[in-house]
Amino acid sequence: KQEVTQIPAALSVPEGENLVLNCSFTDSAIYNLQWFRQDPGKGLTSLLLIQSSQREQTSGRLNASLDKSSGRSTLYIAASQPGDSATYLCAGYQGGSEKLVFGKGTKLTVNP
Amino acid sequence: ETGVTQSPTHLIKTRGQQVTLRCSSQSGHNTVSWYQQALGQGPQFIFQYYREEENGRGNFPPRFSGLQFPNYSSELNVNALELDDSALYLCASSAIGTGELFFGEGSRLTVL
Repeated sequence: KQEVTQIPAALSVPEGENLVLNCSFTDSAIYNLQWFRQDPGKGLTSLLLIQSSQREQTSGRLNASLDKSSGRSTLYIAASQPGDSATYLCAGYQGGSEKLVFGKGTKLTVNP
Repeated sequence: ETGVTQSPTHLIKTRGQQVTLRCSSQSGHNTVSWYQQALGQGPQFIFQYYREEENGRGNFPPRFSGLQFPNYSSELNVNALELDDSALYLCASSAIGTGELFFGEGSRLTVL
């Protein structure tokens, strides 16, 4: 059974800081890994998708990596801004099960 | 391109009642999945529909049921509501097998 853990549960940083969010999963048979952003009371916005044959993806100030052998993914946010404040969720997609397994998220606060 | 839309956005029901939530998938997507997100938790997979049939189900009782229509829109029905059913219900659409999901804004259900 796939389990996804995100550390830390909450993080508060000053504006401009570079930061890393961590995600670990128990089953290396993960197919894809997707990072999402969720604002309070809202739905999920897809940030980055790392497909099984890839090791990382970049979009603007965001970079996500995937190491299936160690069961880890990281989301790197460069030069953080107050608008980055949100909860960040990672989710693993297992081929054949057609479902995403989510972590509980990391709540990020970027202080001006 | 129209994204995933859900209705209603908020609703309040009493224990024992029944509820129907609706979802229109993103253009070009043939698969709809439903997730339940309790406060402070990651989303949990309820089920997925593909070609109007259930294509995978999570650990939810039979009182959670769904439909997918020929235009790929979907409904989630919950019978005999319980207090613990209070949650944000998220719909996601995808193209089958791609492993990349796109979510709507969710329907916030409160059961009193």
